Amino acid sequence: NAGVTQTPKFRILKIGQSMTLQCTQDMNHNYMYWYRQDPGMGLKLIYYSVGAGITDKGEVPNGYNVSRSTTEDFPLRLELAAPSQTSVYFCASSYSPSYNEQFFGPGTRLTVL
Amino acid sequence: GQQLNQSPQSMFIQEGEDVSMNCTSSSIFNTWLWYKQDPGEGPVLLIALYKAGELTSNGRLTAQFGITRKDSFLNISASIPSDVGIYFCAGQISDDYKLSFGAGTTVTVRA
Repeated sequence: NAGVTQTPKFRILKIGQSMTLQCTQDMNHNYMYWYRQDPGMGLKLIYYSVGAGITDKGEVPNGYNVSRSTTEDFPLRLELAAPSQTSVYFCASSYSPSYNEQFFGPGTRLTVL
Repeated sequence: GQQLNQSPQSMFIQEGEDVSMNCTSSSIFNTWLWYKQDPGEGPVLLIALYKAGELTSNGRLTAQFGITRKDSFLNISASIPSDVGIYFCAGQISDDYKLSFGAGTTVTVRA
């Protein structure tokens, strides 16, 4: 049972480039989340999904897009990378919104230059 | 998201010490969670609390769900070097899928 996996671990992008951060979970969780973590700050929610085909915006969605075609996968897309998107990105999943114990992946460290 | 105030922002521990940290909110939460993050890794869930007044332990860690439902506390007893890291509180309002996170308490070993 791998839990939540994320790829890549590190990435450097130039301004204006695009990329997709991958997230996969093998726990059959319906609920999945994308967060970003900036130094000295807590985690900020970018997007979340309550099941395949259903996504919604979190606190800081601008500049990002998501899709959820399967229960297992929840990729995060950056279309036009900006320096403000330099951050560490975490994917998480949970079984139930009532007992919302979220399990996190190892993160992707992204630098935009 | 809801504003969570976590304190202290940082602390230094000496092996064997008991340490504590807390989290407060202006909103009423129905869930409090405590996570630990090691450098270069994702947060790992330590303790989950679902009921006002609840006191739950996980080894040397004990957390409490405040009776007002607006705060939570985490205590680490007899600290050891591997307790260093960043501890985050997270809270959830009823009927909301989303967690709000505190800014974290960084625990470092005192030289």
